[in-house]
Amino acid sequence: GAGVSQTPSNKVTEKGKYVELRCDPISGHTALYWYRQSLGQGPEFLIYFQGTGAADDSGLPNDRFFAVRPEGSVSTLKIQRTERGDSAVYLCASSLKGQGPRQETQYFGPGTRLLVL
Amino acid sequence: AQKITQTQPGMFVQEKEAVTLDCTYDTSDPSYGLFWYKQPSSGEMIFLIYQGSYDQQNATEGRYSLNFQKARKSANLVISASQLGDSAMYFCAMREDPGSSNTGKLIFGQGTTLQVKP
Repeated sequence: GAGVSQTPSNKVTEKGKYVELRCDPISGHTALYWYRQSLGQGPEFLIYFQGTGAADDSGLPNDRFFAVRPEGSVSTLKIQRTERGDSAVYLCASSLKGQGPRQETQYFGPGTRLLVL
Repeated sequence: AQKITQTQPGMFVQEKEAVTLDCTYDTSDPSYGLFWYKQPSSGEMIFLIYQGSYDQQNATEGRYSLNFQKARKSANLVISASQLGDSAMYFCAMREDPGSSNTGKLIFGQGTTLQVKP
């Protein structure tokens, strides 16, 4: 079956602009995660959705970052007033929930490379 | 707080030989999961192997095995019979086991770059 997809694959924007990054999880996966990966680092957690609700947004760096998942499938990460420090790869992952620890492995999409000039 | 440490920024291995990538972790949670992911230059994180904290045996998936030493809090990845396509960044990650209050978010190490020499 299809894996996690993310669009766009690359995004170049200017400082101060607004961007939206989209994630389409694996069909049937109710849990969705966003991570941010800076160059040479491991991914860092941003936000977790269970269904339509953001169950944990403790990783969002500030209020310029927001994410939604209105119908419990596709999610959009929104960044307002972008700054050069927002440049990174934004990764989305999805998993099953309630099936036991082993079955709840997260599967990642290819990421969106965001460059803020 | 949970923490994952990968002390090897880069590793080299000869094709067809085995290699061990180190990972140590720190958690106060008795129930957790340990993962290894591979990230080729294309950027996608590819799941390789999972070890649960209560699993009695070390996990194996094809050429990948996880050397789990719970008392030492280590979860090293062993890749046997290395192939050129194994050249990539490898990340160790930990997750508190899912429960009513756990989100299941992953905590990642800094990664190890593996280069396989022909």
